[in-house]
Amino acid sequence: QQQVKQSPQSLIVQKGGISIINCAYENTAFDYFPWYQQFPGKGPALLIAIRPDVSEKKEGRFTISFNKSAKQFSLHIMDSQPGDSATYFCAASYSNYQLIWGAGTKLIIKP
Amino acid sequence: NAGVMQNPRHLVRRRGQEARLRCSPMKGHSHVYWYRQLPEEGLKFMVYLQKENIIDESGMPKERFSAEFPKEGPSILRIQQVVRGDSAAYFCASSPNGYEQYFGPGTRLTVT
Repeated sequence: QQQVKQSPQSLIVQKGGISIINCAYENTAFDYFPWYQQFPGKGPALLIAIRPDVSEKKEGRFTISFNKSAKQFSLHIMDSQPGDSATYFCAASYSNYQLIWGAGTKLIIKP
Repeated sequence: NAGVMQNPRHLVRRRGQEARLRCSPMKGHSHVYWYRQLPEEGLKFMVYLQKENIIDESGMPKERFSAEFPKEGPSILRIQQVVRGDSAAYFCASSPNGYEQYFGPGTRLTVT
């Protein structure tokens, strides 16, 4: 019930393409869904986040799509660039509680 | 506004020694979280603190590990009598409201 399942584990996308990473959850009490980006040797950086009362949120080239009935949310990176190569983590939380993390997706953008 | 600060960035300890990891949250943030990360893995929650209080320590081993966030000064994660299995990256995050968490650069602990 507390798990967040993330897929794929790794992803290779051509420069300029769309990168899509998916997450699924079970606990309907979750009310906050962030995405984090982590470069090797660095701490995770908050990229974008969404609440369940919204189905989509866009910030620049990054978009979160949220499907409440399916209990799924996804990150879309438009016009993917080599500098986007990193590990991406989805997470979920509720009521001031700890973040429950996905296992991560290693994204490689090929020039 | 400076980000979350952690020190030291790298720490080498021999088995049996103590490790002290420090975290200074962002200004105005009263929520602090500690996470542990092994290579090629996700983050594992350890402990959630607010000023002078431990809110949730369910992810922290009962023995050898302790955490505090005093009224003044940084949050401290203390690992006593370190073992090789404690080698990992330890990240601290702070939050203004318990939702958005902003991470520090981490402390990489190596136990020899």
